[in-house]
Amino acid sequence: EVQLVESGGGLVQPGGSLRLSCTASGFSFMSYPMSWVRQAPGKRLEWVSAISGSGGSTHYADSVKGRFTISRDNSKNTLYLQMNSLRAEDTAIYYCAKVDSVGVPEVSYAAYWGQGTLVTVSS
Amino acid sequence: DIQMTQSPSSLSASVGDRVTLTCRASQSISGYLNWYQQKPGKAPKLLIYAASNLQSGVPSRFSGSGSGTDFTLTISSLQPEDFATYYCQQSYSPSTWTFGQGTRVEIK
Repeated sequence: EVQLVESGGGLVQPGGSLRLSCTASGFSFMSYPMSWVRQAPGKRLEWVSAISGSGGSTHYADSVKGRFTISRDNSKNTLYLQMNSLRAEDTAIYYCAKVDSVGVPEVSYAAYWGQGTLVTVSS
Repeated sequence: DIQMTQSPSSLSASVGDRVTLTCRASQSISGYLNWYQQKPGKAPKLLIYAASNLQSGVPSRFSGSGSGTDFTLTISSLQPEDFATYYCQQSYSPSTWTFGQGTRVEIK
């Protein structure tokens, strides 16, 4: 059974930093890209970042580029999101998601999500 | 950037109703479109991938169609457990995703 468990959320002051973790089990972690998706209170889902299975390729939403860094440790089956220079608008539940794909060319989607971890940026 | 617009933003329906939700992309995305269901306090759940493929374990009353810029999610006979918010998501842009603003399905 695929399981994704996020941790590391909490209350942080504007300008501060936080590192989120997502521990995966039930699948070959190194074989799959992973993504972070967030949801501010009462708002739509917002894709944040993605990383390839090897970790060699990363992508970011414009809203977090230069402030957030996605990484992974395949020996620990763990995905990370380092968040620096945090702003009030970064307040959200952060979900990690396993990226699957189908077809040629590939259509990617998220069939498995973690339960989310809440990040609150406030003074 | 590709923008996704869903309509309506919310709707009220009764158990047993046939419900159709719409998602429009700001440019052609071929069939790179997925649908998710989200209930309050829960993570999203994948319903449909690649526009029309039913995810394993999802009831057959859910179906998806469309290509290019216009897509629909249909619930053939609304059940009590289907009251939730539904999001479309494009994956046409390589390695980046965009979600629609959601359609909230409420009990009439």
